[in-house]
Amino acid sequence: EAQVTQNPRYLITVTGKKLTVTCSQNMNHEYMSWYRQDPGLGLRQIYYSMNVEVTDKGDVPEGYKVSRKEKRNFPLILESPSPNQTSLYFCASSLDGLLREQYFGPGTRLTVT
Amino acid sequence: QKEVEQNSGPLSVPEGAIASLNCTYSDRGSQSFFWYRQYSGKSPELIMFIYSNGDKEDGRFTAQLNKASQYVSLLIRDSQPSDSATYLCAVGRDSGYALNFGKGTSLLVTP
Repeated sequence: EAQVTQNPRYLITVTGKKLTVTCSQNMNHEYMSWYRQDPGLGLRQIYYSMNVEVTDKGDVPEGYKVSRKEKRNFPLILESPSPNQTSLYFCASSLDGLLREQYFGPGTRLTVT
Repeated sequence: QKEVEQNSGPLSVPEGAIASLNCTYSDRGSQSFFWYRQYSGKSPELIMFIYSNGDKEDGRFTAQLNKASQYVSLLIRDSQPSDSATYLCAVGRDSGYALNFGKGTSLLVTP
């Protein structure tokens, strides 16, 4: 089954404790992206990657890191999480940067206390 | 700041009616436009994309684009209760392969 998977689905952590949210897709897609969704602010893009070893900032990259060492994986790293990073995070992938077929993962609900 | 504006709703329509969802955008250089549907507690799913001025139809859905007015809309014909969801408008940036999303319009289709 074609899908985007994220782990963990739910995470409660404390300020400053480094964490990684994994994202993997099995569709051989070139493009992958991370978004966060907050009430009243909508869906905002954090980072995206056009291909392996190619990443670029979205609207809200501060406090996040990404890497794209393999085509199928695109982990999101929070080196020192803060409470304002409490959010619902979605990973997504698309065949290419035209985004005519962008598929979203199930989401990761992160709470930073 | 490139903005995508949508009426938050809720937009309530009776079953069988046409639902009309609207979106305006500020980036004149945008070339690609997308509509996503998001059910409560679920992830967004792509409904349609449109690149050219005019209408594009896919089943019960029609996307309409007017670049001169910086306006894109989604019509849902024969609305069903299962269409009740939040509809997100997304606009591709002219500077690269990224998207700006609107905050979404909540649609409620009543039986």
